[in-house]
This record gives sequence, structure tokens and C-alpha cells, in this order.
Amino acid sequence: EAGVTQFPSHSVIEKGQTVTLRCDPISGHDNLYWYRRVMGKEIKFLLHFVKESKQDESGMPNNRFLAERTGGTYSTLKVQPAELEDSGVYLCASSQAGTGSYGYTFGSGTRLTVV
Amino acid sequence: AQRVTQPEKLLSVFKGAPVELKCNYSYSGSPELFWYVQYSRQRLQLLLRHISRESIKGFTADLNKGETSFHLKKPFAQEEDSAMYYCALTGANNLFFGTGTRLTVIP
Repeated sequence: EAGVTQFPSHSVIEKGQTVTLRCDPISGHDNLYWYRRVMGKEIKFLLHFVKESKQDESGMPNNRFLAERTGGTYSTLKVQPAELEDSGVYLCASSQAGTGSYGYTFGSGTRLTVV
Repeated sequence: AQRVTQPEKLLSVFKGAPVELKCNYSYSGSPELFWYVQYSRQRLQLLLRHISRESIKGFTADLNKGETSFHLKKPFAQEEDSAMYYCALTGANNLFFGTGTRLTVIP
């Protein structure tokens, strides 16, 4: 079984540019989560999809961030325009319905550096 | 509001020594607590859950509701335990993480 796949693994962009991160969850996992880890700080929740619907987007920092999950499969997280403080590692996780938080499987993350 | 505190950013112990990674939390309801671990060049993965009361790789963690703590312990540290450890709790249907503790086991 393929795990949670994220790409790119690294991205370096200039301030003001646009970047799109992608996450492919484990097949059949209805729940998909985005998190962000900033150096020295906690891994912070961004949002949660159940299939194609946004269940909770309370962690999205501002309207420069746009997440979608086309057809309830893969998800994209677009940052436009990127700012320096957006740098960090973006983690995606998926879980089956009903498994709760213990059923999370994480991807290897995308390291975003905004210069 | 939920909050997870890991007071130590870095912790170094010698191989064979006991290790304790501290975690304190605040949560208004009945929390479910977890420890996640990330080894070098690997993904973040679940180490153990308080509800399972299990020992994984020699690690245990007991939920102390009076002290609102969920410290991770191992009696004899091994070099392969060197990693980043995150304490987390559930809120609704997502996880809230602490800032993590980097454990280094010195041979």
C-alpha cells in the first residue's frame, strides 16, 4: 500500500511568488489534514478535509492560503503571494473514516523556503 | 483552549541511562494523548497512545490528569532512540502538537 505522498519535497521561491503543494493520501482515506511546522514552534493544524469538503479550516493563517481537494482524492495547498513567514515544513496526513486521530498517516512533508 | 507544552527543546542522555521527555497539556474535556516520533530522514509516525497503555520500543507514558502530564519514559536509552519526539492531544477530530523535543542518545 502506497503511503501519503507529498510533492515537491523542497521548494524555494521568492517573496511574492506563488507555490502549490500537493498531497496524495492513502487510497480510501476520507480524512485529509494539512499541518505546518515552523522551526522551533509546534506543528500547527491548518485544515481538515472529509472527502472533498472542508470540515475545519480554522488553522488557515490568512486568505493567501487556498486548499482544495478535487473529487475527494488528492489535495493542493496554494500560497499566493508567498511571504517570508510562510517558510516551514508543510505536512499532510490522512486517515480512514472512524479511526480518529490515532489512525493518522503522515507524508514526508514539503519544505518551503521563501526568500 | 487546548495546549501542549514540551519544556525541553533538546535532551541528551548517555546510552543505557533512563530518559524522560516531559509533556504537559491543557484541555477542557477528556483528552486523548499521543506521542509521535520522527527519526532522521523518516516520516512523523505514531509511537504510542495513552488509551492503549502499551509499551512501544521500551517507551511508556502514563496520563496523569491531576498534573495534566503525559511524560514519555524509557528505563534504558538506546542510540536508535535518537529522534524528534512530539507530544500531541486530540481536539475535535484533529491533533494539537507540542513544539517537540530532540533526543540525542550519546554512545
